[in-house]
Formats: sequence, C-alpha cells, structure tokens
Amino acid sequence: GAGVSQSPSNKVTEKGKDVELRCDPISGHTALYWYRQRLGQGLEFLIYFQGNSAPDKSGLPSDRFSAERTGESVSTLTIQRTQQEDSAVYLCASSSKTAHYGYTFGSGTRLTVV
Amino acid sequence: GIQVEQSPPDLILQEGANSTLRCNFSDSVNNLQWFHQNPWGQLINLFYIPSGTKQNGRLSATTVATERYSLLYISSSQTTDSGVYFCAVGAGGTSYGKLTFGQGTILTVHP
Repeated sequence: GAGVSQSPSNKVTEKGKDVELRCDPISGHTALYWYRQRLGQGLEFLIYFQGNSAPDKSGLPSDRFSAERTGESVSTLTIQRTQQEDSAVYLCASSSKTAHYGYTFGSGTRLTVV
Repeated sequence: GIQVEQSPPDLILQEGANSTLRCNFSDSVNNLQWFHQNPWGQLINLFYIPSGTKQNGRLSATTVATERYSLLYISSSQTTDSGVYFCAVGAGGTSYGKLTFGQGTILTVHP
C-alpha cells in the first residue's frame, strides 16, 4: 500500500490477556520499527528489524513483549499477560536505505488495559 | 545512550508569527530527523537532516553536527502547524535507523 498500515486502531483488553498488534510496512522498505508512546510522552523505542539481520530487541521492556517479522513484510508485536502499565499507543514505522532511513509512521494502535 | 533535549517544551504563537525550535544531543549522530505529530496523533516526517540546511515551504531546518544541535524554523505560522514537534537522532553502527526521540515541543498557534 501507499502508507504504513496498523491494526487494530484501538484495542481494549482485560489485564492478564494476550494481545497481538499488526503492522504492514510500505512495500520495499527493508527496515521496520516499533515504538511506544505513553500519554503526553515522547516515543520509546521497542524493536528494530533490518532486512535479514537479527532484530535489535534492546528496547523491549520485559519478556512479556515479543515481535516477529516475515521477511520484509508484515510484523506482529505480541504482549503477553498484559498489565495496566502497557496502556499506550503502539506505533510502527518503516524506512528504506534509499530514503536515508526517513521514517514513515503508521497511525498507531491505541491499547487500553482495564 | 544518547540524550536528546528539546526546547522550549511549550510554545504559544499568534498566527503569522515565526518560531525557532531547538534540539540538543549528547553525542555524535549520523541520523537526525524532525517530526510533527498532529492533534490526532499522526506523525509526519518533516526533515532528514544529519547536517546542513534544508527548506520545505515555510519550514526549514539546520543541523550543526560538530556543535551537537539542530534548529527547526517555522515562518508565518498557521493554526495547522499546531501539534508536537519531535527531534530524533541515531548514532549509526548496526542500528543506523534506530532513533532516540526527544520529549517534544508542544506548539499552539492561535488564529
């Protein structure tokens, strides 16, 4: 597609449940990123995929968080046993070397844990 | 890790005014981007500018890498410029695209 697509746009879940967030990057973008933005805060890096290289998972806050990417396409971010502090907007971005890694962001998934 | 500090944290303008937003960073970078987050939460990339000066319409940006700062200029501001402006930097290596974001400058433009 023309842009980065994220789904769902909103997710309300009960504490302790698992959730899966999806990101469809721009076709041909080799790099894909997940960030988290808590209310009124800046963006917090979670994980970075670059081509076939091992992902940079240094930002994942706990072992309840994991992410996968199929080749250079779709990525899913999974949060297990959700906690109230996981409530945030989860943003996905993609970029390409030819565009000097200028990010294109999706519209985000707003996750609310109740 | 690298630290990014933006100033001012808040800025209120009348339509038509000019403004300068600043981003200081604590280490050498080879990737620096400015973003605008509109009131609906959408983040738009304004500039990729690890060094030098670029202009796009009423917006321009300058990065002085040797002095570890970048400036975003907004001229003849409009109400649609309202939102949060983020500076983000990357230090390269194997995680060239990975960015560290500042806390943002909240801009409000009144008609």
